[in-house]
Amino acid sequence: EPEVTQTPSHQVTQMGQEVILRCVPISNHLYFYWYRQILGQKVEFLVSFYNNEISEKSEIFDDQFSVERPDGSNFTLKIRSTKLEDSAMYFCASSDWTSGLYNEQFFGPGTRLTVL
Amino acid sequence: ELKVEQNPLFLSMQEGKNYTIYCNYSTTSDRLYWYRQDPGKSLESLFVLLSNGAVKQEGRLMASLDTKARLSTLHITAAVHDLSATYFCAVEGAGSYQLTFGKGTKLSVIP
Repeated sequence: EPEVTQTPSHQVTQMGQEVILRCVPISNHLYFYWYRQILGQKVEFLVSFYNNEISEKSEIFDDQFSVERPDGSNFTLKIRSTKLEDSAMYFCASSDWTSGLYNEQFFGPGTRLTVL
Repeated sequence: ELKVEQNPLFLSMQEGKNYTIYCNYSTTSDRLYWYRQDPGKSLESLFVLLSNGAVKQEGRLMASLDTKARLSTLHITAAVHDLSATYFCAVEGAGSYQLTFGKGTKLSVIP
């Protein structure tokens, strides 16, 4: 069964460093997302991406964040200068707007980012 | 701004018992999703509810949607230990791609 994959599973970085989180969405999906979950809290939307551009972004997704689809399979989230409060689990998701009726999103296993 | 409220946030129940988790949301939507998350794991899609009165069942779990009341329920029948997990409802806002999640209900089923 197709699934979303993410690498690395765990990333430890120093405050102020740049990190890139990588995702491979399900191959026939066209819509891609990043969410984050701070430990013990709810899942929060960061950004959605379609047709090589950002569709929506939340207030969390400020100038320190960027997304890219560098090739036909990968989808990346870059944090330019990490802060302590960026420590969280980051989930990538993808969807295909099934029959134009609904937008069931399939989530990857997550990357746990720890900023020291 | 779309807000999603789940209750209870924590639920400890004995095996064999029934219980209901509630999900209220603040603005009009007719697409609601339930996800399950095991500790340290990703989110597994359980149910997609698309219209008023929609009811879906899978094993011991049944989900329903009342768009007029802006309420979805996840009913657990005869709980078993394997159902222990955190359950999230997520609402798709009108004209939006994003999902807004509730805080989750951490369910512990005790033998």
